[in-house]
Amino acid sequence: ELKVEQNPLFLSMQEGKNYTIYCNYSTTSDRLYWYRQDPGKSLESLFVLLSNGAVKQEGRLMASLDTKARLSTLHITAAVHDLSATYFCAVALDYQLIWGAGTKLIIKP
Amino acid sequence: EAQVTQNPRYLITVTGKKLTVTCSQNMNHEYMSWYRQDPGLGLRQIYYSMNVEVTDKGDVPEGYKVSRKEKRNFPLILESPSPNQTSLYFCASSLSGQLPSYEQYFGPGTRLTVT
Repeated sequence: ELKVEQNPLFLSMQEGKNYTIYCNYSTTSDRLYWYRQDPGKSLESLFVLLSNGAVKQEGRLMASLDTKARLSTLHITAAVHDLSATYFCAVALDYQLIWGAGTKLIIKP
Repeated sequence: EAQVTQNPRYLITVTGKKLTVTCSQNMNHEYMSWYRQDPGLGLRQIYYSMNVEVTDKGDVPEGYKVSRKEKRNFPLILESPSPNQTSLYFCASSLSGQLPSYEQYFGPGTRLTVT
């Protein structure tokens, strides 16, 4: 059974700081996804990581995938208030997606 | 505008009264899926469909049915809803039916309360 663990589950940080969210999973997979959800809203796709060593960047967010370690990271550089949201990772197992519990990120001015 | 639509957005119903939540996408996507979101649990996949001919169970299919008679629509059916099905439901679609190698586009969500 594939399990996906995110940590931390809650993160409060100051603007301008850097931080990393971790996504560990228990079974071999080479497809991992990151999503963002604003309060009361739907989910928005951030990154699709499809191979070992994949790295993608969009603005202040950078995601990477290490399939051997079964680990993905979402790194936030010089955080700004607009990045406050809940971030989810999801791992593909055949045609299913198994989701982490989410990391609620609050960025204070 | 490319989008996934769900109806209704909000629904309060009583135990045992059959209901259907509709989902439609206008992007000619092959893959469609239903999720439920509960606090602290993230999203859990209920059913998914790789194409019109293939539908399969996700993590939590009990108490739900789906139908994929045409590519654009993927309704979620609760034959006899129970209070433990109170949740926020999302429909999503993705271009590829072979593997979910593309991003998924999510509908706005349906908040269901079963009393």
